[in-house]
Amino acid sequence: EVQLVESGGDLVQPGGSLRISCAASGFSFSDYWMTWVRQAPGKGLEWVANIKEDGSEKYYVDAVKGRFTISRDNADNILYLEMNNLGVEDSAVYYCASDVRLGNWGQGTLVTVSS
Amino acid sequence: DIQMTQSPSAMSASIGDRVTITCRASQGISNYLAWFQQKPGKVPRRLIYASSSLQSGVPSTFSGSGSGTEFTLTISSLQPEDFATYYCLQHYSYPLTFGGGTKVEIK
Repeated sequence: EVQLVESGGDLVQPGGSLRISCAASGFSFSDYWMTWVRQAPGKGLEWVANIKEDGSEKYYVDAVKGRFTISRDNADNILYLEMNNLGVEDSAVYYCASDVRLGNWGQGTLVTVSS
Repeated sequence: DIQMTQSPSAMSASIGDRVTITCRASQGISNYLAWFQQKPGKVPRRLIYASSSLQSGVPSTFSGSGSGTEFTLTISSLQPEDFATYYCLQHYSYPLTFGGGTKVEIK
């Protein structure tokens, strides 16, 4: 059974940093692109970033370029999202999902940016 | 960037109704489109991929169609568990973009 388990969400002050993680199991993690998607409270879904199977290609939504970094550890089957210079507009539930077609989703981790 | 315009943004329907939701892409995306269902407080789940392929485990009352710029999600007979918000996603080019969502409520 595919499992994606996010962790690391927290309350952070504006301008702060945070790294969230997604532990994958039940599938061959290193064979799949991986994705981060976020959802602000009461809002729709927003794609955030993608990373290729070997980490050689990464793509970001403009709103996070230069501030967020997606990475992965294929040895330990973990996906990361390093978030810097956080703003209140980054407050959301962050989901990891498998592939670019988002076939499987984790339960999400809540990031709140507030003073 | 490719814009995904989803309509309607909300609708009321009755059990047993046939429901149709549309997504229009601002440029052609072939069949690189997926549909998702999200219930309040729950994780989104994929219903349809490649425009018309039914995700394993999803009831056959759901179907998808379209190619290019016009796409449709159809629920042939609305069931109580189908009341939710539905999103389309294009993964033809970056940035990937979701439609704004369609909330299906009980009439």
